[in-house]
Amino acid sequence: QVQLVQSGAEVKKPGASVKVSCKASGYTFTGYYMHWVRQAPGQGLEWMGRINPNSGGTNYAQKFQGRVTMTRDTSISTAYMELSRLRSDDTAVYYCARGSCTNGVCYPKYWGQGTLVTVSS
Amino acid sequence: DIQMTQSPSSLSASVGDRVTITCRASQGISNYLAWFQQKPGKAPKSLIYAASSLQSGVPSKFSGSGSGTDFTLTISSLQPEDFATYYCQQYNSYPWTFGQGTKVEIK
Repeated sequence: QVQLVQSGAEVKKPGASVKVSCKASGYTFTGYYMHWVRQAPGQGLEWMGRINPNSGGTNYAQKFQGRVTMTRDTSISTAYMELSRLRSDDTAVYYCARGSCTNGVCYPKYWGQGTLVTVSS
Repeated sequence: DIQMTQSPSSLSASVGDRVTITCRASQGISNYLAWFQQKPGKAPKSLIYAASSLQSGVPSKFSGSGSGTDFTLTISSLQPEDFATYYCQQYNSYPWTFGQGTKVEIK
């Protein structure tokens, strides 16, 4: 069965960077894009971007361009999301999500358990 | 970006009630619409994809309909485990966008 296991909670100071990992199992890691979605406390869901684990190619939401970097290590089936120049409003739960696709159109069927990132001085 | 607007933002209902949540897209998205259930402290759980296809393992009391810009999620007979927040999401184009959520509470 598909499983996405994320790294643990982080506390960071404003201006710092955070790197969250997402280890995949139960499927061929390079066969599906990995997406990152965040949720601020008491708020809705926000798509941040995606990475093609096969090629390493990325697409980022405009809001995060220049601050987010998504990478992967195919040898250990793990995707990473690094967010830099952290601000207090980056405090959120960060989720990785894998799509389920039909004819190349994908929706986020599988989700990691989430990683809480707290930005506080 | 495509905006997704859900209504209502919250509702109070009793066990056994039939509940309907609506979701409107700011432009046509065909049937590329998914519904999720989220409970406090948990990741979203997929319920419906392609507007009306029930995810494997999800009870048939959940149903979805719609196409184009207007969609609905219906829970036929609300049970205690259904009290949660529900989100719609369009995957017609990037960036993926989500509705603001509908919180279903116990009356």
